[in-house]
Amino acid sequence: AQSVTQLGSHVSVSEGALVLLRCNYSSSVPPYLFWYVQYPNQGLQLLLKYTTGATLVKGINGFEAEFKKSETSFHLTKPSAHMSDAAEYFCAVGMDSSYKLIFGSGTRLLVRP
Amino acid sequence: SAVISQKPSRDICQRGTSLTIQCQVDSQVTMMFWYRQQPGQSLTLIATANQGSEATYESGFVIDKFPISRPNLTFSTLTVSNMSPEDSSIYLCSVVLADAYEQYFGPGTRLTVT
Repeated sequence: AQSVTQLGSHVSVSEGALVLLRCNYSSSVPPYLFWYVQYPNQGLQLLLKYTTGATLVKGINGFEAEFKKSETSFHLTKPSAHMSDAAEYFCAVGMDSSYKLIFGSGTRLLVRP
Repeated sequence: SAVISQKPSRDICQRGTSLTIQCQVDSQVTMMFWYRQQPGQSLTLIATANQGSEATYESGFVIDKFPISRPNLTFSTLTVSNMSPEDSSIYLCSVVLADAYEQYFGPGTRLTVT
């Protein structure tokens, strides 16, 4: 069965610092991987995805993630945090042709001025 | 991408009653899902809304509690029946753009059961 683990329910960084949100997955087949962001009282917004091809994926708002098969990881990074990045971030794995998603438990990003 | 709207955006209901949540998409989509997000938790898939046939429910969710309709390719409803305080959650619908393997979410319906 597929699963997703996000390390750290809360991550706090200073404005301008590197953002690193960790995601590891387990899957018996090549996965489809996603990062979503949820701002307070809003739905989920797709940040980026990996399906096939280049393992370094660039998304919106300056975020990127790298698919590392050997480490079964898909960590999300951003070189310089902005106050507006404060939100909940969810990693998800896609279940092949069913398009169902399994979500990690989420990481709340706090950005200190 | 797809533009998705949900009604109501929030509601406060009494235990024992039912609430129907609507999900409208601005284009025809093949796949629609309903998720639940309990307070402070991640998202859990409730069911796949199938157009013209019965929904497919995930383990732990049953049709009597969460009946779903999908009369066409742009609209679906989820009913939360005989509500209890444990049903207080955010309910989100999502749609899939199959060609791009991308899933988009509605803004959610925040339900509080008293």
